[in-house]
Amino acid sequence: QVQLQESGPGLVKSSQTLSLTCTVSGGSISSSNYYWTWIRQSPGKGLEWIGYIYYSGTTYYNSSLKSRITMSVDTSKSQFSLNLKSVTAADTAVYYCARNPQQGSFDYWGQGTLVSVSS
Amino acid sequence: SYVLTQPPSVSVAPGQTARITCGGNNIGSKSVHWYQQKPGQAPVLVVYDDDDRPSGIPERFSGSNSGNTATLTFSRVEAGDEADYYCQVWDTSSEHEVFGGGTKLTVL
Repeated sequence: QVQLQESGPGLVKSSQTLSLTCTVSGGSISSSNYYWTWIRQSPGKGLEWIGYIYYSGTTYYNSSLKSRITMSVDTSKSQFSLNLKSVTAADTAVYYCARNPQQGSFDYWGQGTLVSVSS
Repeated sequence: SYVLTQPPSVSVAPGQTARITCGGNNIGSKSVHWYQQKPGQAPVLVVYDDDDRPSGIPERFSGSNSGNTATLTFSRVEAGDEADYYCQVWDTSSEHEVFGGGTKLTVL
C-alpha cells in the first residue's frame, strides 16, 4: 500500500520561504508511471493544484505560482519537496502531496499539513 | 484557462439518488476524476477516467461524461456519503490540472 507523508514547519513568516517534503513509502518514487504532486487547500476553500515533478526532475507548475515555486526530487530518500518563496497570508493552506498516474487522477494522498503564514 | 463548474450544494434524502454535475467546455473529450473529502481529511478518489471505481469504492458510486457535463451519481444515498465532492481534469491546452469548486452533499 502506497503511503505519502508531508513534513515541514507549520508556521512561516511572511516574505519567507515555505519548504515541505513528502516521503513516499510502499512504492517506488522512481517509477516511470507516476508524477508526484503538490496540492493545497486554503481554509474553507477548494483544491488548488500547485504542480508536480517526475522522478527524472521534469516539472509542471501552476502558472499562477510558477515564479515562486521550486520542486525537487531525491530518489535515494524516496522524497520530493516543495519550496514556495515570498509567502503571504494568501499562502496559508493545508498542503497535500499526492501521486498522479501521468495526468490522470490523484490516487494516493498524504494526510495533509497545515502551513500558516504569519506577519 | 479551463474552468470546471459545480453546484455549491446538493441535498438528498437517505435511500434516494443524488447527482453532482461538473460543467466544462467539451468536458466529454476529457477524462474526469472525482474525489470525496470529509471534514478534516484528505480527499479520496471515488471515480476515475469518467466511470471507473478504485477498489473499495461502493458500486453505488458511478460516473458519466458527455458533451459539456460530467456527472457523479450516488444511488441509495447513505448518511456516510455526506461530504464535499470535487471533479478534476487535465487541461492539455494549459498543461494544468484543474479542479472544480466543489459540491457539498447533504443527506437530509
